[in-house]
Amino acid sequence: DTEVTQTPKHLVMGMTNKKSLKCEQHMGHRAMYWYKQKAKKPPELMFVYSYEKLSINESVPSRFSPECPNSSLLNLHLHALQPEDSALYLCASSQKPRRDADTQYFGPGTRLTVL
Amino acid sequence: QKEVEQNSGPLSVPEGAIASLNCTYSDRVSQSFFWYRQYSGKSPELIMSIYSNGDKEDGRFTAQLNKASQYVSLLIRDSQPSDSATYLCAVGRVSSGSARQLTFGSGTQLTVLP
Repeated sequence: DTEVTQTPKHLVMGMTNKKSLKCEQHMGHRAMYWYKQKAKKPPELMFVYSYEKLSINESVPSRFSPECPNSSLLNLHLHALQPEDSALYLCASSQKPRRDADTQYFGPGTRLTVL
Repeated sequence: QKEVEQNSGPLSVPEGAIASLNCTYSDRVSQSFFWYRQYSGKSPELIMSIYSNGDKEDGRFTAQLNKASQYVSLLIRDSQPSDSATYLCAVGRVSSGSARQLTFGSGTQLTVLP
């Protein structure tokens, strides 16, 4: 089973709202990732959690705040977003963060629209 | 120079033909290489991974890796209209604190014509 789940599937929010995206995997993977993907572009890495610790933050604005409460769950808290933040937000997980042959499996994504 | 480069396409092939997708990368120490397929509006789906020089076959898909030339390709035999999608080449590299991360190419849009 290589399933990563994400909720919600779609989210529409105003610029003053606070919302959260949720990602879950039960494969025992110890690395989890957030990506942002704009139309006709490849995924852009935002954050990497390795063994529940934030190991990479790709200079993401503070209006995006990641959280990894346990090894199966990853959240992305959103606050005061801008319309240009509208995108597909993808979560991925991989088994062992320090292995070269570490395959990332993607969830279905959350389509975010900021009005 | 981009770290991972792909022909952006679009690439069109007739049904039943072989589709050839190419990717070059700049970091010589890269060790892991992946092909993902992404349908419009959906998330990337892993097609193939390859780590050693040579060919790796899985059904109608063959990945080829040449580390000396820093080149990886994906061949799709007997292409079907359902193969129409964007194909993303991804290269694994070490980042800070030994965490691995993927660098994606810009993707090649493939259309298989019935």
